[in-house]
Amino acid sequence: DSGVTQTPKHLITATGQRVTLRCSPRSGDLSVYWYQQSLDQGLQFLIHYYNGEERAKGNILERFSAQQFPDLHSELNLSSLELGDSALYFCASSVARGVLNTDTQYFGPGTRLTVL
Amino acid sequence: GQNIDQPTEMTATEGAIVQINCTYQTSGFNGLFWYQQHAGEAPTFLSYNVLDGLEEKGRFSSFLSRSKGYSYLLLKELQMKDSASYLCAVREMKPGGYNKLIFGAGTRLAVHP
Repeated sequence: DSGVTQTPKHLITATGQRVTLRCSPRSGDLSVYWYQQSLDQGLQFLIHYYNGEERAKGNILERFSAQQFPDLHSELNLSSLELGDSALYFCASSVARGVLNTDTQYFGPGTRLTVL
Repeated sequence: GQNIDQPTEMTATEGAIVQINCTYQTSGFNGLFWYQQHAGEAPTFLSYNVLDGLEEKGRFSSFLSRSKGYSYLLLKELQMKDSASYLCAVREMKPGGYNKLIFGAGTRLAVHP
């Protein structure tokens, strides 16, 4: 158990809908990262928040957005869902803001999103 | 840019040793990580190398050669539970000092009795 929690574990929805995925980082971690992992594909970095502020963006679609709240939990919002958005969505947390080369990311159990 | 290559699949026998290679090209190398991921589960951290050489952690060891852009993960005394994907991830320093972590596609290891 990494100490990172994600809810829900599974989510089934229809095309065109909007969903919110939630992540709570490990105690003491200020950074939250979101990744997408499609079937048989590697982890694709979406976005990084540090202490409430956006630090870096990866290949995140405009239909997707995220935020980190004062209690440091984060939410990833996915809208106008398409079949191709079906994937595992992981969040990870780390202590620092991305400038330390020793900073290790610890992953939550993921949310499996199925768009029908 | 960033390019990480690792074999797609490997098979090995229980009790044996297996080496999973990873080669990378990066403009600002700042560390390499190995993660283990069982199907449908979260990646779990295995090892970290930033200097050349071997890091040993029980049955798992990881080696890095920065000049060759090469790393390997060595798994000894293989157990059935080691059947999983192994992800090589390279930390690349971007302008402004931000470190971005880029993952390879992973190597799926199957351990047979």
